[in-house]
Amino acid sequence: GAVVSQHPSWVICKSGTSVKIECRSLDFQATTMFWYRQFPKQSLMLMATSNEGSKATYEQGVEKDKFLINHASLTLSTLTVTSAHPEDSSFYICSAKGAHSGNTIYFGEGSWLTVV
Amino acid sequence: GENVEQHPSTLSVQEGDSAVIKCTYSDSASNYFPWYKQELGKGPQLIIDIRSNVGEKKDQRIAVTLNKTAKHFSLHITETQPEDSAVYFCAASHPTLSGYALNFGKGTSLLVTP
Repeated sequence: GAVVSQHPSWVICKSGTSVKIECRSLDFQATTMFWYRQFPKQSLMLMATSNEGSKATYEQGVEKDKFLINHASLTLSTLTVTSAHPEDSSFYICSAKGAHSGNTIYFGEGSWLTVV
Repeated sequence: GENVEQHPSTLSVQEGDSAVIKCTYSDSASNYFPWYKQELGKGPQLIIDIRSNVGEKKDQRIAVTLNKTAKHFSLHITETQPEDSAVYFCAASHPTLSGYALNFGKGTSLLVTP
């Protein structure tokens, strides 16, 4: 299957700071990327959908000024958690799909964020 | 919006037995149904998927069935092995303004005991 890479795989930051997570499609052009959040022992919750070159579409209840998403190229999307708080600590996972894959969506390995 | 229900939440089987996980969806417009396996601390891995124009799909020990009329689909794992132990998520995808996002079930924690 296609490869989606996330970086960093884990990060610890102080409250009030911002942290950026990168999501890259390594062997295909990702026309659409999705960002999910997952709390321990829970399912994946869609945060936003981004299409290359367009503004991201956020799900209800997700603050777009807090979770900044940029999808500037067909292989890279970034999620920036601004002014992080301990309650933002979670497992963030990106996924991507491209024209070659139809509806098939491939996930990255996830990024653990801990805000202290 | 789409609502995906998944059962059971936990499943324990002995090695060699079969495991079945069932999901239902609410939106008849959903047309793509993938299954993901997630191991602890890792991202979900696609294991099999089925599209709405097909009733059944098989890949070695894994099979998925889809009943569009009843709006439910199931994952079947035969000859289970301890390495099959993980959390399995079903999902349904339908066209939206956001472009075919996935709605996930709550997951099934499968434990295969030797």
